[in-house]
Amino acid sequence: GAVVSQHPSWVICKSGTSVKIECRSLDFQATTMFWYRQFPKQSLMLMATSNEGSKATYEQGVEKDKFLINHASLTLSTLTVTSAHPEDSSFYICSARDLRYSPLHFGNGTRLTVT
Amino acid sequence: GENVEQHPSTLSVQEGDSAVIKCTYSDSASNYFPWYKQELGKRPQLIIDIRSNVGEKKDQRIAVTLNKTAKHFSLHITETQPEDSAVYFCAAEADKLIFGTGTRLQVFP
Repeated sequence: GAVVSQHPSWVICKSGTSVKIECRSLDFQATTMFWYRQFPKQSLMLMATSNEGSKATYEQGVEKDKFLINHASLTLSTLTVTSAHPEDSSFYICSARDLRYSPLHFGNGTRLTVT
Repeated sequence: GENVEQHPSTLSVQEGDSAVIKCTYSDSASNYFPWYKQELGKRPQLIIDIRSNVGEKKDQRIAVTLNKTAKHFSLHITETQPEDSAVYFCAAEADKLIFGTGTRLQVFP
């Protein structure tokens, strides 16, 4: 089955630093990747939709200059949390699909803790 | 944009009983409705999905029904087992996948 690899699985960083999270589709070409954020005991909130070779589409309330998304190839998308603050601490999960309305395949998620 | 509501937020059942989780959505253009199961600290796992041209779909103990007119869909789990305990999310997609608020299901032996 389709596999999405995400790393790191967890990261601890200091306030003010930047963190990059990678999301790779291992056995299919992901024309679209989605980045979600999940706070404890809450739902998955869509942050942005990333299409290969074009700019990401951000959801309302998500700062595009703070959460930089790059989808340079059909198998790789990255999310960079810039100038991280403690309130950015969360579980970030990427997902990918090859066709619209096909099942979404999720990465294992990255637990970010900002101290 | 799409808004997905999910009920109940928590559900406790005895092993062997059935569990039903209901969702409503707002965007009539939504065409794809998956259900995910998420265990603590892990990624969501797709358990079943349904498209708008189908009213019902079943896979062993799991079934999903869709009423496009009323814009609601439901997950039915029969003969529940303790390993079914997890958080379940519904989702709806028109141009992007939007998740419901989640249901924490506990199945007691």
